[in-house]
Amino acid sequence: KNQVEQSPQSLIILEGKNCTLQCNYTVSPFSNLRWYKQDTGRGPVSLTIMTFSENTKSNGRYTATLDADTKQSSLHITASQLSDSASYICVVTPLQGGSEKLVFGKGTKLTVNP
Amino acid sequence: DSGVTQTPKHLITATGQRVTLRCSPRSGDLSVYWYQQSLDQGLQFLIQYYNGEERAKGNILERFSAQQFPDLHSELNLSSLELGDSALYFCASSQTGGRTGELFFGEGSRLTVL
Repeated sequence: KNQVEQSPQSLIILEGKNCTLQCNYTVSPFSNLRWYKQDTGRGPVSLTIMTFSENTKSNGRYTATLDADTKQSSLHITASQLSDSASYICVVTPLQGGSEKLVFGKGTKLTVNP
Repeated sequence: DSGVTQTPKHLITATGQRVTLRCSPRSGDLSVYWYQQSLDQGLQFLIQYYNGEERAKGNILERFSAQQFPDLHSELNLSSLELGDSALYFCASSQTGGRTGELFFGEGSRLTVL
């Protein structure tokens, strides 16, 4: 069964610190891996999309990495800000089918404190 | 602002009732997706429409139905509501519905069933 597991479930850090969120998946073969940011009560917003052949993608202070051999991805946040407080969702698209087949993780809830 | 509009933002109703959630996709997007997000759960795919036609079905209950109109807006109908239907319902749109397409999410409709 295609699954996406994220860790930790929740994380609290101080403003200005860096952090790394993990995503392990069993989806194989896959087309792409996405990271979304979801503020509480809001819709998810795309941060990065990596194809299976890419191993890193940056978006400002957000850097996603992908190791297709170990089926792991990470999202690194540099110099965190209060506005980074949100849930971060890892999503994997299987190679078969379209976007309706996206497999969503449950997310990591990040809290950035002053 | 993703360009995807969902109404209403909040809805409180009683068990056994019926509600309709509405979604207007981004200009030019032909594909609309509906997702359910229960408390502390990942996004669950319900159904996808492409250019007015149903394209894919996920874990959508028989009490739920949807349609996409000629102007490409979509409605999700939830009937015989139960307490467990309380959740955030998100609509997303994409240009084509293919697996590489970017998904843009609306702000969601929060349904509370009492």
